[in-house]
Amino acid sequence: SQLAEENPWALSVHEGESVTVNCSYKTSITALQWYRQKSGEGPAQLILIRSNEREKRNGRLRATLDTSSQSSSLSITATRCEDTAVYFCATDKRGSALGRLHFGAGTQLIVIP
Amino acid sequence: EAAVTQSPRSKVAVTGGKVTLSCHQTNNHDYMYWYRQDTGHGLRLIHYSYVADSTEKGDIPDGYKASRPSQENFSLILELASLSQTAVYFCASSVDWGGSYEQYFGPGTRLTVL
Repeated sequence: SQLAEENPWALSVHEGESVTVNCSYKTSITALQWYRQKSGEGPAQLILIRSNEREKRNGRLRATLDTSSQSSSLSITATRCEDTAVYFCATDKRGSALGRLHFGAGTQLIVIP
Repeated sequence: EAAVTQSPRSKVAVTGGKVTLSCHQTNNHDYMYWYRQDTGHGLRLIHYSYVADSTEKGDIPDGYKASRPSQENFSLILELASLSQTAVYFCASSVDWGGSYEQYFGPGTRLTVL
């Protein structure tokens, strides 16, 4: 089974609205990362949040991490059409090989003009 | 800026044929990875490498070989391509951010096996 899982599987919002994608994971981690993949491109990292951090911001993006419930969220405010993409959470795993990440299946976000 | 390139960008192969996918990075990163992406499965790790001339098996290595002849180059080899290996393949390199590793991805190679 996957070590990380996003939900919902897909969602759509109107431009300007805010949206939140959630992630649950199943292992002890040193950090959790959020990636975005636009159509026809490779994934690109958005935010890295370490296990001793509770919140991280990057412009219109805000990530939270709750290690007690093994969950994270990624919020996007004032969405734009160019935010349309698949969003992945990815975790490392304490004790596993350095640099290995475990990706979820992703959440497809569509921003409607 | 960090750069990972892949070639070819798309390929059609015949069942039983040999396929080689190439990856080149100019990031000066030690770590490199090969993933495949199928709809609904996200990214699954096939092989990875920490250093030139050494490769490690990932989660789904069966049917794939990898080669890392230099720090910059990492190849994925399908000796006998099968229909089930139709997918999009991504290469990535990574850098250490104080014990956590951000991965930089290439644009992907769409492989169709007929």
